[in-house]
Amino acid sequence: KNQVEQSPQSLIILEGKNCTLQCNYTVSPFSNLRWYKQDTGRGPVSLTIMTFSENTKSNGRYTATLDADTKQSSLHITASQLSDSASYICVVSDGNNRLAFGKGNQVVVIP
Amino acid sequence: DTGVSQNPRHKITKRGQNVTFRCDPISEHNRLYWYRQTLGQGPEFLTYFQNEAQLEKSRLLSDRFSAERPKGSFSTLEIQRTEQGDSAMYLCASSLRDRNTEAFFGQGTRLTVV
Repeated sequence: KNQVEQSPQSLIILEGKNCTLQCNYTVSPFSNLRWYKQDTGRGPVSLTIMTFSENTKSNGRYTATLDADTKQSSLHITASQLSDSASYICVVSDGNNRLAFGKGNQVVVIP
Repeated sequence: DTGVSQNPRHKITKRGQNVTFRCDPISEHNRLYWYRQTLGQGPEFLTYFQNEAQLEKSRLLSDRFSAERPKGSFSTLEIQRTEQGDSAMYLCASSLRDRNTEAFFGQGTRLTVV
């Protein structure tokens, strides 16, 4: 069973709208949680990284939240742009720097 | 470009042939990871190195797969007797040893076995 579950699997949003992606994990022990953006055919690019003590971290129009008690994270995209169309992957690291990947949220932004 | 570099970007090979991919990590990074990613899935861990030592291998890494990092810098991933099921994107990532530093990914090598 995957230790990192993401939802929704895919979504379509109108340009300019906001959306929120969810990530639930069971990885233990927990070291940090990362969100990556992966454009089709390219490698993942880091958006945010949060440790146990961090609840929120922003990177431009991307805001990630972390609730380490419930083992949940979200990634909020504000005022979406066409270039936001990509797969967003939640990655959780344990204390030994092993990375557990979710399958990704596929986001399509339409004009 | 000082990011993670992977070569080749694309590889088409006939079933049964051997292929080798190369990854050049960010120069000061001592950890190097290999992942495999199929369409619609997240990356799956294959193996990782700390300097030249291969510290962990996934059970996905069958005996047809071998990875090396001889001088603790670049790494190679070889697949022998390729099968159609080996068709995937092979991603390399590197990071510093500190557990809270991010991993930087290369652009990947897209393998197609025909």
